[in-house]
Amino acid sequence: EVQLVESGGGLVQPGGSLRLSCAASGFTFSSYDMHWVRQVTGKGLEWVSAMDTASDSYYQGSVRGRFTISRDNGKSSLYLQMNSLRVGDTAVYYCAREQRGGGALDIWGPGILVAVSS
Amino acid sequence: ETVLTQSPGTLSLSPGERATLSCRASQSVSTRYLAWYQQKPGRAPRLLIYATSSRATGIPDRFSGGGSGTEFTLTISRLEPEDFALYYCHQYNNSPRTFGQGTKVEIK
Repeated sequence: EVQLVESGGGLVQPGGSLRLSCAASGFTFSSYDMHWVRQVTGKGLEWVSAMDTASDSYYQGSVRGRFTISRDNGKSSLYLQMNSLRVGDTAVYYCAREQRGGGALDIWGPGILVAVSS
Repeated sequence: ETVLTQSPGTLSLSPGERATLSCRASQSVSTRYLAWYQQKPGRAPRLLIYATSSRATGIPDRFSGGGSGTEFTLTISRLEPEDFALYYCHQYNNSPRTFGQGTKVEIK
């Protein structure tokens, strides 16, 4: 079964750091571009970051310089290092797989909550 | 950034009725790069439609998509009880990727 599972979320104070992980299974992880998308409770979806198969990274403007995406193909895992966290970063973070040759996000993890509060 | 505006915000319909959801883009989006997702409370989004009109794996044919340029639509031909949910459009033509704010399809 194709699956993504996020971990590493939790409560952190403003200015703090957190590292999210996404474990992939059921497909050849190294062959797919991967993304992080977040959703504030009760609000819409916001694309955060992506890493392609060549390990080139892309970021949404509000997180650039604070968040770092990475991947370990040997462990079939995607990561998001989040530094200098702000209250506005509070959201459910989803890991998502990009369709090969398409671009839509065809597989999503269940999501993990990141809460930034003092 | 390409802003996607979905309308209506809420659609109140009965099972068996037809639902038509709209997504308007602030700049042109290639039909290759427009998708629709369904989301139910407490769940992750699920891909329904990609490349404007292609159904994702396992998606029933009552779901269809269309449009071009800046106007796109998702149609559910006959609403089933499990179709009452939130729907988002998504463009991945222009950077950064963006999503619409969502349309809630609720039971009338």
